[in-house]
Amino acid sequence: GAVVSQHPSWVICKSGTSVKIECRSLDFQATTMFWYRQFPKQSLMLMATSNEGSKATYEQGVEKDKFLINHASLTLSTLTVTSAHPEDSSFYICSASISPDSPLHFGNGTRLTVT
Amino acid sequence: AQSVTQLGSHVSVSEGALVLLRCNYSSSVPPYLFWYVQYPNQGLQLLLKYTTGATLVKGINGFEAEFKKSETSFHLTKPSAHMSDAAEYFCAVTIANSGTYKYIFGTGTRLKVLA
Repeated sequence: GAVVSQHPSWVICKSGTSVKIECRSLDFQATTMFWYRQFPKQSLMLMATSNEGSKATYEQGVEKDKFLINHASLTLSTLTVTSAHPEDSSFYICSASISPDSPLHFGNGTRLTVT
Repeated sequence: AQSVTQLGSHVSVSEGALVLLRCNYSSSVPPYLFWYVQYPNQGLQLLLKYTTGATLVKGINGFEAEFKKSETSFHLTKPSAHMSDAAEYFCAVTIANSGTYKYIFGTGTRLKVLA
């Protein structure tokens, strides 16, 4: 149980375009979803926390107008990278949780390459 | 503020040897602690967690960790390393504040298993 599906697994886009990444909890209702960014051989950097039906809470230094997060239902959250630039190239990982003492369940990540 | 420190970004052990990956945390309240493993180009997989109760927790793949409040530690161990254990390991702590919460990850430890 507790499967999180993330799509696409990889995407290549041109500079200036937007890319949407979907994250779905398949067999449970995720009250909270978290979006992380991971640079090569580095740890996960929390970008934002989203709760269903409310605005996402962004971490300091993360541009909310660039990384649009929508949590439309208890099973779906999306991250849209707007006007992508090469420096946005990274590995983006979504995760979902039911409560603070329950583990995070991760999607398999999306490798974004902006050319 | 809560934080997680993983000592040793790289650890090498021989196949069959003891694995010890260190994690220290700082928290003003009882923490929820987790260990995750990440294989290349994949999301993270939960190894084990500590929330309350028994301080020695057993996880998947033969791993275990002991919560030591006096030492603010949650080190991960495995008696005998296997080649398939080679991966990146992350320690994480939950931070809860005013009804919201988030997970903070350590910088990770890359485990290499030598034949």
